[in-house]
Amino acid sequence: EAGVAQSPRYKIIEKRQSVAFWCNPISGHATLYWYQQILGQGPKLLIQFQNNGVVDDSQLPKDRFSAERLKGVDSTLKIQPAKLEDSAVYLCASSLQGEKLFFGSGTQLSVL
Amino acid sequence: KNEVEQSPQNLTAQEGEFITINCSYSVGISALHWLQQHPGGGIVSLFMLSSGKKKHGRLIATINIQEKHSSLHITASHPRDSAVYICAVTGNQFYFGTGTSLTVIP
Repeated sequence: EAGVAQSPRYKIIEKRQSVAFWCNPISGHATLYWYQQILGQGPKLLIQFQNNGVVDDSQLPKDRFSAERLKGVDSTLKIQPAKLEDSAVYLCASSLQGEKLFFGSGTQLSVL
Repeated sequence: KNEVEQSPQNLTAQEGEFITINCSYSVGISALHWLQQHPGGGIVSLFMLSSGKKKHGRLIATINIQEKHSSLHITASHPRDSAVYICAVTGNQFYFGTGTSLTVIP
């Protein structure tokens, strides 16, 4: 079974630039999550999709972060404009509803 | 105060030792997850629990819903078990602990 695919694996940008991350969940998984993990901390949920609808985006900084899952399959997370404090690993995970989570390998973002 | 507290934060063990990592939470949950994160690597889900006990190989996870507490046990620990172990709970929201960094020395 193919896992959760994320790209790019690494990204380095300057502050105020824009960046986008892509995630392709496991086939058939209706629930998709984006997490932010700052070094030394546990992951923080940014947004949860159920198919193409948003279930929870309460911790998403909506002034600069946006995410979409237009066809209920793959998803993109965008930051515009990036700040230094956005440097983190961005993790995507998927699950069948209420079931075990499967994580991608993450995108490590460095904002200079 | 964090909704999910883990202990210890750091743990060093000799190969072969029995290891316990604890997780306490303060919110109502529908499930608790134990996750494993290797240095520089992604996260792997080890267990999802809503009651009782689960076992997979040398790993055992237990949960006490009344006490809002879960433990992850590793029997006959091995250096390849060295990783960060993260407890997460799902209820109205997802809450994560800050992780326990485990180092197993040969």
